[in-house]
Amino acid sequence: DVKVTQSSRYLVKRTGEKVFLECVQDMDHENMFWYRQDPGLGLRLIYFSYDVKMKEKGDIPEGYSVSREKKERFSLILESASTNQTSMYLCASNLRAGSYNEQFFGPGTRLTVL
Amino acid sequence: AQSVTQLDSQVPVFEEAPVELRCNYSSSVSVYLFWYVQYPNQGLQLLLKYLSGSTLVKGINGFEAEFNKSQTSFHLRKPSVHISDTAEYFCAFPNVSGTYKYIFGTGTRLKVLA
Repeated sequence: DVKVTQSSRYLVKRTGEKVFLECVQDMDHENMFWYRQDPGLGLRLIYFSYDVKMKEKGDIPEGYSVSREKKERFSLILESASTNQTSMYLCASNLRAGSYNEQFFGPGTRLTVL
Repeated sequence: AQSVTQLDSQVPVFEEAPVELRCNYSSSVSVYLFWYVQYPNQGLQLLLKYLSGSTLVKGINGFEAEFNKSQTSFHLRKPSVHISDTAEYFCAFPNVSGTYKYIFGTGTRLKVLA
């Protein structure tokens, strides 16, 4: 079974802190994604990566950056956390470019910024 | 522009009753369609997918969906729901215009009542 793990289930940070969210997948997937999920808004794509060191902005990249130094690991960085970044963050991966490839999701990290 | 619409944000239904969760999509090209389920405090997992062929697709946990090209719909159904089906359900399809993005609906929260 494909497994996507996220470093924390719950995280509480203070405004202005630098926050790292890490995601690891164990099935040699090429593509990895970071979403945030907010009530009534569904999933919104922050960034995705289609190869090591390669990344593209999603729909809401402002205030975030990402890093993919190894194929299995994709990190989301909040350079200076703000209260409006309080949300559920979901990581996902899929095999390769191809419109029939389902995404596999991690359990999510619920981030609260005080 | 490509989009997915889930008109019902919440659907309450009594246990053992049938349920239909609606999904309509907008796309100028052929699509592949997915339904994902998110149980409380978990990530998303694939329920079923339509790629081609038979328009009636069966998924896990007794769910099925019907692809209707003329109506641009992909509604999810279950003939008899259980308390354990209480979850949020997302309709999605990959953006096939050359990027890796997936387009998600805003989700339908199914609440099964005893």
